[in-house]
Amino acid sequence: KEVEQDPGPLSVPEGAIVSLNCTYSNSASQSFFWYRQDCRKEPKLLMSVYSSGNEDGRFTAKPNRASQYISLHIRDSKLSDSATYLCAMSGGTGNAGNMLTFGGGTRLMVKP
Amino acid sequence: NAGVTQTPKFQVLKTGQSMTLQCAQDMNHEYMSWYRQDPGMGLRLIHYSVGAGITDQGEVPNGYNVSRSTTEDFPLRLLSAAPSQTSVYFCASSYDGGYTFGSGTRLTVV
Repeated sequence: KEVEQDPGPLSVPEGAIVSLNCTYSNSASQSFFWYRQDCRKEPKLLMSVYSSGNEDGRFTAKPNRASQYISLHIRDSKLSDSATYLCAMSGGTGNAGNMLTFGGGTRLMVKP
Repeated sequence: NAGVTQTPKFQVLKTGQSMTLQCAQDMNHEYMSWYRQDPGMGLRLIHYSVGAGITDQGEVPNGYNVSRSTTEDFPLRLLSAAPSQTSVYFCASSYDGGYTFGSGTRLTVV
């Protein structure tokens, strides 16, 4: 697969730090994204991953181009963070380079 | 803004029937795409468009057609439904790579 994620489920206690990783094989990938998907709902964009990383509140995303992976860290995890987290990327030649390729997602369960 | 609107939300088809899944966006996005999501397979790209009049095949295009006559609309047509097309279908649109998804169509082919 072009984009790989550990499917989980990853079960953590409330307040824990969560680290999710996503590896990719296409070195031409240029843009990276993390999506959140709740059960039986559509994926929702959580954050774009810039080359220098990105931080939004409790969420931090970082790329590692040399090792071809991106990470998502969640600080002080909440019960409401329970969801499936999908990584996605685009890049390459032609019009297809504008489309996203998704990993299979990691299911996160935050428990009281 | 409504964002990306998909209809219908649910559909049951008999094998061999055809139908069109509708997708419309009101954000003036150039890029639109159709994905299917199956357990254990993740989201797979069916067809995509980079603008009105321009469409191309994704990873799993067989059995599906698309057209893009306007910026707003990107319908997906199932030509002759098969049980293997039972899935959840998502339409998405973007202008900068971060796609916005519709709420999906749950399709069952019996």
